[in-house]
Amino acid sequence: AQTVTQSQPEMSVQEAETVTLSCTYDTSESDYYLFWYKQPPSRQMILVIRQEAYKQQNATENRFSVNFQKAAKSFSLKISDSQLGDAAMYFCALGTYKYIFGTGTRLKVLA
Amino acid sequence: GAVVSQHPSWVICKSGTSVKIECRSLDFQATTMFWYRQFPKQSLMLMATSNEGSKATYEQGVEKDKFLINHASLTLSTLTVTSAHPEDSSFYICSARLAVSSYEQYFGPGTRLTVT
Repeated sequence: AQTVTQSQPEMSVQEAETVTLSCTYDTSESDYYLFWYKQPPSRQMILVIRQEAYKQQNATENRFSVNFQKAAKSFSLKISDSQLGDAAMYFCALGTYKYIFGTGTRLKVLA
Repeated sequence: GAVVSQHPSWVICKSGTSVKIECRSLDFQATTMFWYRQFPKQSLMLMATSNEGSKATYEQGVEKDKFLINHASLTLSTLTVTSAHPEDSSFYICSARLAVSSYEQYFGPGTRLTVT
């Protein structure tokens, strides 16, 4: 069975500071992707960053970067220079022929 | 590119009636579409996977006779909630995959269903 675990239901960060959201997963597939999605109050799912499992280099998108530890099956998201607009639910997802989502982490950004 | 729309964005129906939700890929052909359900403050739960021209594959515990999925073309999938009950009230999200070789899904904006 494939699983995704997000152990932090809620996180807070001061504006301009850095925060890391944790995610662990389990799969027997050798070919898969990992994703972080942001869901603001509008509930539209917004792709933040993706990581192909076969790539050793950690993905980076502007202020967002991941720490992908394949052996440990860990995929954390680092948000640098946090902004008020980053406040949202963040979901980690394991992507193969279908997606498995984690339970989400609510990020609050404090002014 | 890779835009997915849903219609309606919000629907209210009476208990016992049926309601149809449409999911369209606007600028690409989607070989596979997915339907998710999200309760308040919870994660997305996959309900079913549909491929154009074939029967949908439902996840364990999802009643296929209650949640009818039709994927009639490469740009349109529909979810019909039959004989709706208040417990079916939820947020329904569809997504579409660009190609068989791609794992990435593109999400619609969701449909809020309220059954009274």
